Amino acid sequence: GQQLNQSPQSMFIQEGEDVSMNCTSSSIFNTWLWYKQDPGEGPVLLIALYKAGELTSNGRLTAQFGITRKDSFLNISASIPSDVGIYFCAGPIQGAQKLVFGQGTRLTINP
Amino acid sequence: SAVISQKPSRDICQRGTSLTIQCQVDSQVTMMFWYRQQPGQSLTLIATANQGSEATYESGFVIDKFPISRPNLTFSTLTVSNMSPEDSSIYLCSVVGGAGVDEQYFGPGTRLTVT
Repeated sequence: GQQLNQSPQSMFIQEGEDVSMNCTSSSIFNTWLWYKQDPGEGPVLLIALYKAGELTSNGRLTAQFGITRKDSFLNISASIPSDVGIYFCAGPIQGAQKLVFGQGTRLTINP
Repeated sequence: SAVISQKPSRDICQRGTSLTIQCQVDSQVTMMFWYRQQPGQSLTLIATANQGSEATYESGFVIDKFPISRPNLTFSTLTVSNMSPEDSSIYLCSVVGGAGVDEQYFGPGTRLTVT
């Protein structure tokens, strides 16, 4: 079935640094979604990408839909403490509105 | 996006018992899903909750263990039956909404611990 491989699994950075994480698949996805999950909360949708090559920003977050439709990346610029959490990529299984999720990237920020 | 609430937010249950989790949405939605998130893991889809008909379960999940109700377009329940410690997880409901047909929005989750 369609699977998403997310890397890195965890990141430990200093406040103010930029962050980059990516998501790859052996299958084509027509949509890429990026979520953030805070401890004790449900995932919150950050960015949705619908077109190959699309680059979309949401504040300090920027995400790109890979041209091959098999990958996507998420960048966070000038990280702040509230960026701590787990970031998930997700995409719809072809022919359905069901989502498959990557394994997540756990971001830790040292002040 | 829709506002989604879940009850209870957390519970500690004894093995062999059952727990019913409620998901309430503030607007009518067509598609509603239930996910499980085991400790330190990603989200896994349990089933699609269908209004007025039986839920559609993913491989590895069965109705006897996870019965689901969806009586209307704003409400669904998931029951975790005959619980064991392996059922300790966060259970999340989600709905499709927003501008894009694939965008899903999640409730806050129910953290279940089985002792």
